[in-house]
Amino acid sequence: EAAVTQSPRNKVTVTGGNVTLSCRQTNSHNYMYWYRQDTGHGLRLIHYSYGAGNLQIGDVPDGYKATRTTQEDFFLLLELASPSQTSLYFCASSDAPGGASQNTLYFGAGTRLSVL
Amino acid sequence: GDQVEQSPSALSLHEGTGSALRCNFTTTMRAVQWFRKNSRGSLINLFYLASGTKENGRLKSAFDSKERYSTLHIRDAQLEDSGTYFCASSGSWQLIFGSGTQLTVMP
Repeated sequence: EAAVTQSPRNKVTVTGGNVTLSCRQTNSHNYMYWYRQDTGHGLRLIHYSYGAGNLQIGDVPDGYKATRTTQEDFFLLLELASPSQTSLYFCASSDAPGGASQNTLYFGAGTRLSVL
Repeated sequence: GDQVEQSPSALSLHEGTGSALRCNFTTTMRAVQWFRKNSRGSLINLFYLASGTKENGRLKSAFDSKERYSTLHIRDAQLEDSGTYFCASSGSWQLIFGSGTQLTVMP
């Protein structure tokens, strides 16, 4: 069964802090995604990648960097965290562009980030 | 503007009853997916539809790309059905999510 693991599950930092969220998938999927979920907005795409070394900008990329170091690992970087980035973050993977086929997205359990 | 409008934002049901969630799309979408966020926060895929209807247990979903909407019907609701449900429509590279429906099933 597809597995996507996020860490940490919870993180608290202060304004201006440096945060890295990690995601690892063991499904041999090419595509990986970072979403944030906020009340009233559903899930919004921050960055995505279709392979190691590749990075694509999503819908809400401001204030975020990402890096895909291997096929398995996709990191979300907040170098100067702000309170507006307090949110629930989901990582996902798929073996085709998200939603474009029957092979759907597989999500991690989420990371709750609080920026004080 | 938003491309996926999900309603209602919140829904309360008594055990054994049923209702429907709906997503309207402002443009033609090729497919729709429905997810439920479980108590641990994970998103669980419920359905993927490119057209027509699918049924799984007490859940049934329909997608009409021409009329630009999708529905998720829940019948005989159980306490464990409580949670947040999301629809998402397929763009070229990504899913576009609705804002979610918070379902509460009461005894």
